[in-house]
Amino acid sequence: GAVVSQHPSWVICKSGTSVKIECRSLDFQATTMFWYRQFPKQSLMLMATSNEGSKATYEQGVEKDKFLINHASLTLSTLTVTSAHPEDSSFYICITDGDSQYFGPGTRLTVL
Amino acid sequence: GEDVEQSLFLSVREGDSSVINCTYTDSSSTYLYWYKQEPGAGLQLLTYIFSNMDMKQDQRLTVLLNKKDKHLSLRIADTQTGDSAIYFCAAGYSSASKIIFGSGTRLSIRP
Repeated sequence: GAVVSQHPSWVICKSGTSVKIECRSLDFQATTMFWYRQFPKQSLMLMATSNEGSKATYEQGVEKDKFLINHASLTLSTLTVTSAHPEDSSFYICITDGDSQYFGPGTRLTVL
Repeated sequence: GEDVEQSLFLSVREGDSSVINCTYTDSSSTYLYWYKQEPGAGLQLLTYIFSNMDMKQDQRLTVLLNKKDKHLSLRIADTQTGDSAIYFCAAGYSSASKIIFGSGTRLSIRP
């Protein structure tokens, strides 16, 4: 079946640094990728929709200048958390479209 | 927009059936999903149902959909300790559209 990978699977960084999270579709082309985050003991909340070759669409309340999304190819979308702060600590998951929904395994970000 | 709601906790005895309920607000939702999340892990798609179906069964899992009431349920037969997890209900318009998740129901199993 289709596989989606995310890298890194976990990252710890200092406050103020930027962190890039990659989401790759390994054996299919993903025109659209959805980026979600999950705070501890909470549900998944959609952050933005990433479309290959065009600008991402951000959900209300999500700062586009803080969460930079690049979807330069049909197999790769990246989410960069710029100037990360402790409140950005979360579990970030990408979900791609296709004949079904395919989940990345998630990236756990901890900002000290 | 779509809003998906589910109860936060459910406790059942091992061997009994678990029924997790979910309601959604947008009747245009076409895909209705159930996901399982074990502690510290990502989400695992358990099953999904199209809005034109009433029921779907897959081994120990049975999904019931009442489209009129916008109510979805997941029944787990013969619940085992390995079923302990958080179960998320979710709704989407198509396989390529964003998914709206419920808050998750934490299922705990007692001996």
